[in-house]
Amino acid sequence: GAVVSQHPSRVICKSGTSVKIECRSLDFQATTMFWYRQFPKQSLMLMATSNEGSKATYEQGVEKDKFLINHASLTLSTLTVTSAHPEDSSFYICSASSSGEQETQYFGPGTRLLVL
Amino acid sequence: DQQVKQNSPSLSVQEGRISILNCDYTNSMFDYFLWYKKYPAEGPTFLISISSIKDKNEDGRFTVFLNKSAKHLSLHIVPSQPGDSAVYFCAASVATDKLIFGTGTRLQVFP
Repeated sequence: GAVVSQHPSRVICKSGTSVKIECRSLDFQATTMFWYRQFPKQSLMLMATSNEGSKATYEQGVEKDKFLINHASLTLSTLTVTSAHPEDSSFYICSASSSGEQETQYFGPGTRLLVL
Repeated sequence: DQQVKQNSPSLSVQEGRISILNCDYTNSMFDYFLWYKKYPAEGPTFLISISSIKDKNEDGRFTVFLNKSAKHLSLHIVPSQPGDSAVYFCAASVATDKLIFGTGTRLQVFP
């Protein structure tokens, strides 16, 4: 079955530094990738949708200059949290879908970010 | 390999009838299971959960059943309503750590 990986799985950084999270589809071409942030009570907030080769579409309230998303290839999308602050500490999850399967999303295992 | 599987990509149910969404998992270490509901262009929202010490959890029209021996989870919606039409994801975790999601089942409730 389709597998999506995320790296790193956990990261601890100092306030003010930038952190890059990678999301890879291992055995399929992901034309669309989604980035989510998990909040208390388990719900996931969609941050942005990215299509390969084009700019990401950010949801309302998500700062695109702070959360940089790059979808450079059909198997890789990256989320960079720039100048991270403690309030950015969260669980970030990506998912991917391939052309023709818009409603089937393959989720990555998530990345836990802790900003000190 | 997919540790959490939703083998039915779609389900169509008449309003008022029961909707049953299924989920299978392979990792016997999973001890916490959740169902999420997702509308287009939104993130999944938490719906209902169950821990492995239980075999049933009910919340209004939604009931989740857990069969640990079969490694099977199901969500029952009774009665189904048109507003229930969405994509449903099941997810599992070990000790409420990172969530492993299924691929989703699209439910359509028609009048």
